[in-house]
Amino acid sequence: AQSVAQPEDQVNVAEGNPLTVKCTYSVSGNPYLFWYVQYPNRGLQFLLKYITGDNLVKGSYGFEAEFNKSQTSFHLKKPSALVSDSALYFCAVRDSGTYKYIFGTGTRLKVLA
Amino acid sequence: EPEVTQTPSHQVTQMGQEVILRCVPISNHLYFYWYRQILGQKVEFLVSFYNNEISEKSEIFDDQFSVERPDGSNFTLKIRSTKLEDSAMYFCASSRTDGQGDTQYFGPGTRLTVL
Repeated sequence: AQSVAQPEDQVNVAEGNPLTVKCTYSVSGNPYLFWYVQYPNRGLQFLLKYITGDNLVKGSYGFEAEFNKSQTSFHLKKPSALVSDSALYFCAVRDSGTYKYIFGTGTRLKVLA
Repeated sequence: EPEVTQTPSHQVTQMGQEVILRCVPISNHLYFYWYRQILGQKVEFLVSFYNNEISEKSEIFDDQFSVERPDGSNFTLKIRSTKLEDSAMYFCASSRTDGQGDTQYFGPGTRLTVL
C-alpha cells in the first residue's frame, strides 16, 4: 500500500533562512506526489506536484520540492523563508489504481521574525 | 482563479440529527471527493464521485453517509444520524480528470461539531 511519512511534527526556521520540510514515501509503481499547505481556518491549498521528469519541481509562493528516487523522498524547500509561510504542510501520494490521496500527518512550519 | 467553495463554514448539531454539507466544485471539473480531518489527525479519504455515481469509498463511508449532485453545480455530503465521532473538518475536492497525476483542488472545509 502507498504511504507517506512526515517525520517532523514541527519545523522552526528564522525568517530569511532556507527551509526544508521532509517527506518520504512508499509506493508500488510510479509515485505521484503532492504538497499542500493549510493556513489557519483555511482549506488545503495546492503547492506543487511530481509526476515525472525533472526531479526539481517548482510550485507556488517560491516553494520547490526535490524528488529523490533512491532515498524515496520528496522534501519541500524554499530558499528564503517568510513569516507568512508559517502554516501546516501536508505531503500526499496518489494511491495507485484508486482515486484517493493518502496524506501524511502534517508538519507545522513556524518562521520566526 | 476558480475555487472550490463550501457551506457552511461551521455546523453545530445534536447527536442523532441529520446534516448536509454543501460544496460547489470548480465548474469544468468532473470528479468530486470528500475527505475529513479529525482534529489533530490525518486528512482521510471518504468518497469519490463521477457521473452521478460513487466511484470509490473508504471504510469510513458507511450507510450513515451519502453523496449527491442535486443539480449542475452543487455536491453534497449527508450524514443521516450524526455521532460524536463525526466531529471533524470535512473537505470537498474536485479534479478535472481521474488521471493519476491530476490535481485535486480542495475547498476551505466545513467544521462539523456534534454535541
